[in-house]
Amino acid sequence: AQTVTQSQPEMSVQEAETVTLSCTYDTSENNYYLFWYKQPPSRQMILVIRQEAYKQQNATENRFSVNFQKAAKSFSLKISDSQLGDTAMYFCAFMKPHSGAGSYQLTFGKGTKLSVIP
Amino acid sequence: GAVVSQHPSRVICKSGTSVKIECRSLDFQATTMFWYRQFPKQSLMLMATSNEGSKATYEQGVEKDKFLINHASLTLSTLTVTSAHPEDSSFYICSARDAGAGTSGGAPEQFFGPGTRLTVL
Repeated sequence: AQTVTQSQPEMSVQEAETVTLSCTYDTSENNYYLFWYKQPPSRQMILVIRQEAYKQQNATENRFSVNFQKAAKSFSLKISDSQLGDTAMYFCAFMKPHSGAGSYQLTFGKGTKLSVIP
Repeated sequence: GAVVSQHPSRVICKSGTSVKIECRSLDFQATTMFWYRQFPKQSLMLMATSNEGSKATYEQGVEKDKFLINHASLTLSTLTVTSAHPEDSSFYICSARDAGAGTSGGAPEQFFGPGTRLTVL
């Protein structure tokens, strides 16, 4: 079974600064997908960024980028130029490839509560 | 982006009654939908995987007779909490996988509903 670990329960960052959220995972799979989801106070889950394990290039989406280290099984999220609207819970998630039992299921970490301070 | 709706958004019921929660994919077909449960300040825990036209697959520890799942069409899955008790009070979230997504090799995204807050008195 896969496990996802987020070791930072809470973090804070000054507006306009940069913050990095850590995530590690454990799997015996070689092909898989990794995601970062944001859950603001409204509790709507919002996809922030995704990474295919077979791609060496780190994914980027505007102010959000990841540092994917496959050998170390690490998938950290960097938020640049933090904005007040980035305040939310952030969940790292792992998805198995599309075959076999549990395919397409998401396994979530426990989350990191990020507060952006004005 | 794809939209998933849930109804109701909030429900309060008496202990012993049953509650049905609907999850709909509004602009895409979803052969697979997932039901999660989230307690306050905790992560999402997968309860079951719902496949259109077949029985749901429940995660270990989830009572299939208590949490009835029906996925009768490609756009609708329902979760019925039978004989609800206060310990069933939680936030229930569904997600749906676009049947046509992921075929190009990209990461298959799940689209989440806004959630249903269930309070059992």
